[in-house]
Amino acid sequence: QITLKESGPTLVKPTQTLTLTCTFSGFSFRTTAVGVGWIRQSPGKALEWLALIYWDDDKRYSPSLKSRLTITKDTSKNQVVLIMTNMDPVETGTYYCVHIKEVFSAFDIWGQGTMVTVSS
Amino acid sequence: QSVLTQPPSASGAPGQRVTISCSGTSSNIEINAVNWYQQVPGTAPKLLIYKNYQRPSGVPDRFSGSKSGTSASLAISGLQSEDEADYYCAAWDDSLNGQVVFGGGTKLTVL
Repeated sequence: QITLKESGPTLVKPTQTLTLTCTFSGFSFRTTAVGVGWIRQSPGKALEWLALIYWDDDKRYSPSLKSRLTITKDTSKNQVVLIMTNMDPVETGTYYCVHIKEVFSAFDIWGQGTMVTVSS
Repeated sequence: QSVLTQPPSASGAPGQRVTISCSGTSSNIEINAVNWYQQVPGTAPKLLIYKNYQRPSGVPDRFSGSKSGTSASLAISGLQSEDEADYYCAAWDDSLNGQVVFGGGTKLTVL
């Protein structure tokens, strides 16, 4: 059974850097084609894809946020870390970690999400 | 503004059939698979349809997906109260080095 859980600060100040960790179980980056991504949702708004990292360390970023995002993985710890710099209050919302079982496929398993508030 | 276009709302009475449309372009829906997600208020989204029409294990066959050209549709037959949720379409987009694009979401109300 695949599970993912997000962790990180609940509150960050404007211009600060947000670091989120996704800890997962039930699969491994040693399996070809798997990936883990991040998706966010501001209150009352649509889903927005942020980034994705595959088993072979191939990384994909949202073009509009690419300059501010870094995604990395720790295969031994079963973790993925997302770093987002220069946070803005409009980026307040829930951040989800997701599993993808093959390249360019659907996000089949979602974490419960973690709420991040950007405010001074 | 979302890359994929969905109607903001849809509704139907219990037992009825409703469809939700998703419009895209030649760089996303036309050449890549469409996936649909269901989000019950207050919960994380859940994969509902993948690769245009495939249902994950556990998803009732009341839910069906289709695609034609640059558009896709989600149909829900035999509408039930528990189907009241937000529905999002998504697809990979081959522009700008590849990215995932979502629709703006459709809020389904069961009357």
